Amino acid sequence: AQTVTQSQPEMSVQEAETVTLSCTYDTSESDYYLFWYKQPPSRQMILVIRQEAYKQQNATENRFSVNFQKAAKSFSLKISDSQLGDAAMYFCASNGGATNKLIFGTGTLLAVQP
Amino acid sequence: DGGITQSPKYLFRKEGQNVTLSCEQNLNHDAMYWYRQDPGQGLRLIYYSQIVNDFQKGDIAEGYSVSREKKESFPLTVTSAQKNPTAFYLCASSTHGGFNQPQHFGDGTRLSIL
Repeated sequence: AQTVTQSQPEMSVQEAETVTLSCTYDTSESDYYLFWYKQPPSRQMILVIRQEAYKQQNATENRFSVNFQKAAKSFSLKISDSQLGDAAMYFCASNGGATNKLIFGTGTLLAVQP
Repeated sequence: DGGITQSPKYLFRKEGQNVTLSCEQNLNHDAMYWYRQDPGQGLRLIYYSQIVNDFQKGDIAEGYSVSREKKESFPLTVTSAQKNPTAFYLCASSTHGGFNQPQHFGDGTRLSIL
């Protein structure tokens, strides 16, 4: 069975600094995607970034980048130049196989200090 | 604007009552999903549908039912058999059910017991 583990329940970062959120996963699928979703206090789930397991190059979206280590089954999210609007719950998720079922971790609550 | 609309935003259920959560999308997406979110946990898949008139159980389908009579609509009924229905419910959709398609989420419905 697929599992996703986020071992940091809470993190804090100073505005304009860099923070890294950790995620490990386990899957028996040969191809799959990994995702980071952001959930602000409004509770809407917003896709931040995604990575296909077959691609070795780490995905980047503006200030957000990932460090994908396939052998270690690790998928961390780096947020550079942190802004107050980055404060939210961040969820790591994976999918794979014939369907698009997402398996989520338990989330990391990120606080941004001014 | 294209998007996913969930209603109502807040819903209250009496003991022994069935309630239905609405999810409508105008993104022309084939696949739709229902997730449940409990405090301190990630999202868990209840049901998903890859095409009209077809749907499959997710990981926690007991006590829930769905229908998919129209492409744009995927209502979720929380039946009286669901003994612990208090949670935040999120609906999502994707272009199709393939695992390379990102899911887009609605704003959610919070269900509470009276």
